[in-house]
Amino acid sequence: SAVISQKPSRDICQRGTSLTIQCQVDSQVTMMFWYRQQPGQSLTLIATANQGSEATYESGFVIDKFPISRPNLTFSTLTVSNMSPEDSSIYLCSVTNRDRGRNEQFFGPGTRLTVL
Amino acid sequence: GQQVMQIPQYQHVQEGEDFTTHCNSSTTLSNIQWYKQRPGGHPVFLIQLVKSGEVKKQKRLTFQFGEAKKNSSLHITATQTTDVGTYFCAGRKTSYDKVIFGPGTSLSVIP
Repeated sequence: SAVISQKPSRDICQRGTSLTIQCQVDSQVTMMFWYRQQPGQSLTLIATANQGSEATYESGFVIDKFPISRPNLTFSTLTVSNMSPEDSSIYLCSVTNRDRGRNEQFFGPGTRLTVL
Repeated sequence: GQQVMQIPQYQHVQEGEDFTTHCNSSTTLSNIQWYKQRPGGHPVFLIQLVKSGEVKKQKRLTFQFGEAKKNSSLHITATQTTDVGTYFCAGRKTSYDKVIFGPGTSLSVIP
């Protein structure tokens, strides 16, 4: 299994500012994923972060708004830029455990973001 | 694009009653996974189904993958208050494709 930590656990930010969320995994993983979960909603994939290359963004998400870094195989950051109240959400980091064909997604505890 | 749907959206049951949630994909899936998210928590992996018609059991939970690999169900027998949470199905078109989550079924258990 993978143990994932995220910082900060929650934050309240002003409109127009940016917040960088950190994700640390206790083992080396090829791909890390960033999801968003709005209150009472399902998980929406923002992007896939690969070490050594640019992140791959899903439809509706762009690099200028959600820049991602992946400096090594255990760490990634997601920045929410120029925030608006619509960005209020829980942001989750995730990795895939492919041991023995399990393909299990492990999730971090999430970062609860409120934009005023 | 690929869509994964779940019904019902909400379910309230009396403790001891059974509960079922159904998951349907617009495309054939390589595998389907089920996750449970407790209130205030993050999603936790429950199980993965890979084979057509596969049925797996975990104590009071029974998971089924349809013959066409486009639908799945989760059945809980004799619900307990510890079963409270949102149950998500999640599918992949290929083993290495991204995971698409369904909207989830929120289960409330009345003691």
